[in-house]
Amino acid sequence: AQSVTQLDSQVPVFEEAPVELRCNYSSSVSVYLFWYVQYPNQGLQLLLKYLSGSTLVKGINGFEAEFNKSQTSFHLRKPSVHISDTAEYFCAVTYYNQGGKLIFGQGTELSVKP
Amino acid sequence: DTGVSQNPRHKITKRGQNVTFRCDPISEHNRLYWYRQTLGQGPEFLTYFQNEAQLEKSRLLSDRFSAERPKGSFSTLEIQRTEQGDSAMYLCASSLGSTENIQYFGAGTRLSVL
Repeated sequence: AQSVTQLDSQVPVFEEAPVELRCNYSSSVSVYLFWYVQYPNQGLQLLLKYLSGSTLVKGINGFEAEFNKSQTSFHLRKPSVHISDTAEYFCAVTYYNQGGKLIFGQGTELSVKP
Repeated sequence: DTGVSQNPRHKITKRGQNVTFRCDPISEHNRLYWYRQTLGQGPEFLTYFQNEAQLEKSRLLSDRFSAERPKGSFSTLEIQRTEQGDSAMYLCASSLGSTENIQYFGAGTRLSVL
């Protein structure tokens, strides 16, 4: 079955420290990958996406992610986090010819402390 | 671009009652998706429309659930004879219609079944 696994349910980190949120997906020939962020009582906002081309993708708010096909991973990174980055982060995948429906991971709660 | 709009934002109902949620997608978006998100989990796909045609329904969508998208614009999701297990956040998203197009999410409708 197609699935996405986010390896950490909670990640506490101090302000200005680097952070990595891990994501693995079940293998497929053609896959598109996304990271979404959800602030309390709000909908999901797209951070970045991988469709094709360069395996390093840059998104909003200083986030970036690297697509690794051999390890079926799409980890999210930020070199220096801010208090305002505190939120829930979701990794998602959609497979070619699947109508665009997204399969989400369980989410990672990023908590940035001063 | 006014974004994806969902109403109501919150709904409290008693077990056994019927409820209906509405989603207004971004205009000119021909695909519309419904997801359900329970506490501490990532969103799960329920169903999607391309224009007015409902193209896929998840096994999560029991017979008590029905979704419509008349005229290919707004969509409604109805739950009949609600159960406590239906308590969740119901999210709507829309996109331009190819697999790789970005889905834009509404803020969701939070349903509480007492």
